[in-house]
Order: sequence, then structure tokens, then C-alpha cells
Amino acid sequence: EDQVTQSPEALRLQEGESSSLNCSYTVSGLRGLFWYRQDPGKGPEFLFTLYSAGEEKEKERLKATLTKKESFLHITAPKPEDSATYLCAVQVYGSGNTGKLIFGQGTTLQVKP
Amino acid sequence: DAGVTQSPTHLIKTRGQQVTLRCSPISGHKSVSWYQQVLGQGPQFIFQYYEKEERGRGNFPDRFSARQFPNYSSELNVNALLLGDSALYLCASSLGPFTGELFFGEGSRLTVL
Repeated sequence: EDQVTQSPEALRLQEGESSSLNCSYTVSGLRGLFWYRQDPGKGPEFLFTLYSAGEEKEKERLKATLTKKESFLHITAPKPEDSATYLCAVQVYGSGNTGKLIFGQGTTLQVKP
Repeated sequence: DAGVTQSPTHLIKTRGQQVTLRCSPISGHKSVSWYQQVLGQGPQFIFQYYEKEERGRGNFPDRFSARQFPNYSSELNVNALLLGDSALYLCASSLGPFTGELFFGEGSRLTVL
């Protein structure tokens, strides 16, 4: 069964304290891995797409990387406005005629000033 | 440009009732997907429609149904509501059926009493 697991479930950082969020996946065939950000009471907002091992994407203080078994979201010198829940999702081959995403449970990040 | 719009934003129903949730995709997007997000969990795939045809269905009972209209808007219907149906229902649109970059609405928060 295709599965996505994120760790930690919650993370508290001081402003400026860099860290990484982990997304481990077990899938039959990876079509793509996606990172989303979700603020309380809002829908998820797309951040990155990664397709193959070794690929990296960056946006401001965020950098996403991909290996054959997991992805990391690195947050460099975070600010309070980076506080949110970060969701990892995979799209797999063999899902029939659908492009459905399989989401992890998310990591809730709190950055204190 | 307007983003994905969903209505209603909040609603309260009692067990056994029926509910209809509505979604308008971003202009030009022909794919609409529905996800259920229970508090503290990641979104779970319910349906995908593309060009008015169902492209995929998640592991949900037949009480859940959906459709897409000629203008690409969509409705999600849930019959015989159960307490466990209480969740945030998210609609997402995308250009194509296999695009993993989804644009989510803010969701419809359903509470079943």
C-alpha cells in the first residue's frame, strides 16, 4: 500500500533556528512528490514539486530535497510568519486514470520570535 | 483572477441529513478534485473530475457522490450523514488531470451533530 509518513508531528523553533522536516514514502512508483503549506482555517498552498532523486528546489527560506525513500524540507533562519502546517504528498503511477495525491499527516511548525 | 471558491464555508447538520457542497475552479482549470481533511490529519482523496467525467474515486462509501458541470464547477453530495463525516472538505482545481500542483479553496467546514 502506498504510504506517506511525516516527522516530527510538531516542531517548535526559535526565530533564526534552522531545522528540517522529514517526509518518508513507500510507493509502487513515484510520479512526483509535492510540498504544501497550510495555514489554520485555510486550504493548502502549493510550494514545490520534485520528480527524481537528487532534485532540489528553493524558495526564500525553504529548500526541498528528494531521495529514493524520503524528502526533506529545510528551513533556514525561520521567521514567525513561517509558522504553519507543512504537508507532503505523493502522486504515484498505477493510480488508474487519476492524478490523486496521497498526503502525509503534516508537520505543524511554530516559530517563536 | 479569482481563486477556487467554495460554499458554504461552514455548516452544521444532524445525523441522517444530506449535504451539498459547491466549488468553482480557477478559470481555465478543467480538473476538480475533492479531499476530506479530518482535524490533525492530511487531506484524503475523495473524487476527481476532468472534463465532466469521473477520473477517480477514493476509499469512501457510496453515500458520497459528486458531479462536474459544463462550466467545470462541481458539487459534492453526502447522504445519510454520520458523526464521522465531520471534517473540512477541500476542493482543488488544476489545469490537467495529472497535475500535482493543485490550487485549493478554503474549504467547507462540516459539523455533524
